[in-house]
Amino acid sequence: QEQLVESGGGVVQPGRSLRLSCAASGFTSSVYAMHWVRQAPGKGLEWVAVISFDGRNKYYGDSVKGRFTISRDNSKNTLYLQMSRLTDEDTAVYYCATWGIVSTDRFDYWGQGTLVTVSS
Amino acid sequence: IQLTQSPSSLSASVGDRVTITCRASQVISNSLAWYQQKPGKAPKLLIYGASTLQSGVPTRFSGSGSGTDFTLTISILQPEDFATYYCLQLNSYPLSFGGGTKVEIK
Repeated sequence: QEQLVESGGGVVQPGRSLRLSCAASGFTSSVYAMHWVRQAPGKGLEWVAVISFDGRNKYYGDSVKGRFTISRDNSKNTLYLQMSRLTDEDTAVYYCATWGIVSTDRFDYWGQGTLVTVSS
Repeated sequence: IQLTQSPSSLSASVGDRVTITCRASQVISNSLAWYQQKPGKAPKLLIYGASTLQSGVPTRFSGSGSGTDFTLTISILQPEDFATYYCLQLNSYPLSFGGGTKVEIK
């Protein structure tokens, strides 16, 4: 079945970098845009970034623009989020997600999330 | 685009009718989705296109609205509906979520 699995989370010091990965399986992820969404502890959802199916177009939320880079490797069915200059405000569970329409049906897939903790 | 959800929380009983609103800071046509999230879980899509029920979602959930004002209604609240609900605008990047509405047991 369709699955998104994030990895790469952990504890990182302020100012350092971290790369998250999201492996897709059970569907043709290479034809869909992919998103990162995060959720700080006890807070609401925040959209982070999106990349088009071919990697050509990327958009970012204001809070991460210039610090985070989204990318994908369709040969590996994997999405990435390179995070740099991390601050404690980046502490959150990071979800990868994708949604769209196939024929007349809407699909909406999310991973289980990976926790990033920025702390000295 | 800013999305303002109200209320931020509410207490209700099983069987109640619950209404959550989401107001956009500019016109977004019908490019709005509603999600349900339970603690420790990823969000689950309930409604897309402002009013289209996602496959497999109970019909007690409904969405309405267009332009800037949107509503999610749960017609007869069930025990499994106690959760936090978010609206998401998909009209333009950057995408944005509402602040969330936590539905608690009265």
